[in-house]
Amino acid sequence: DTGVSQNPRHKITKRGQNVTFRCDPISEHNRLYWYRQTLGQGPEFLTYFQNEAQLEKSRLLSDRFSAERPKGSFSTLEIQRTEQGDSAMYLCASSSTPSDRDQPQHFGDGTRLSIL
Amino acid sequence: GESVGLHLPTLSVQEGDNSIINCAYSNSASDYFIWYKQESGKGPQFIIDIRSNMDKRQGQRVTVLLNKTVKHLSLQIAATQPGDSAVYFCAEKRWPAAGNKLTFGGGTRVLVKP
Repeated sequence: DTGVSQNPRHKITKRGQNVTFRCDPISEHNRLYWYRQTLGQGPEFLTYFQNEAQLEKSRLLSDRFSAERPKGSFSTLEIQRTEQGDSAMYLCASSSTPSDRDQPQHFGDGTRLSIL
Repeated sequence: GESVGLHLPTLSVQEGDNSIINCAYSNSASDYFIWYKQESGKGPQFIIDIRSNMDKRQGQRVTVLLNKTVKHLSLQIAATQPGDSAVYFCAEKRWPAAGNKLTFGGGTRVLVKP
């Protein structure tokens, strides 16, 4: 199965530490998205890339968050100086460039971040 | 505003019966809708999508209906099975104003009783 892969699956860290998550999209997909999901809620959009270009960022993405996709393949999401409120599931999704405008996004199984 | 919501937080259905999950949206600029299934500990799994120029689309055991007049979306699951127990989300994409992001509702939990 060559779906979206996310690592690590679970990260536990102390408040104030930095964390980095990795996402490997489906190989032929050039669009990559990051979402955050808290318990009982739907995912919330954070940012997205087309190839290596970061094209949109949500207001949820504070200056402690940074995402990169340096070679247009895998992406990393870093959170600096983590806070309790950062505890959530961080989901990555990818999609192909549409021939028309509608292509579904396919999600990985996420990284669950727990801040102690 | 931009909101996608669901009418029922939990749906309990007998195995073998049909399930109907409802979703309301408020923005008439929404032109693409997707249903996802999410099982515990996993990411959302794509089920079916529909464009705003359609009012019905069928997949394997699933049908999505779109009523643009009342801004309502529904997912019908035929002959519900225990493996269908999960949380179901509808999501919208408004193009091009909101880029390619998906806006999700709060989800409906489907519990299949044997």
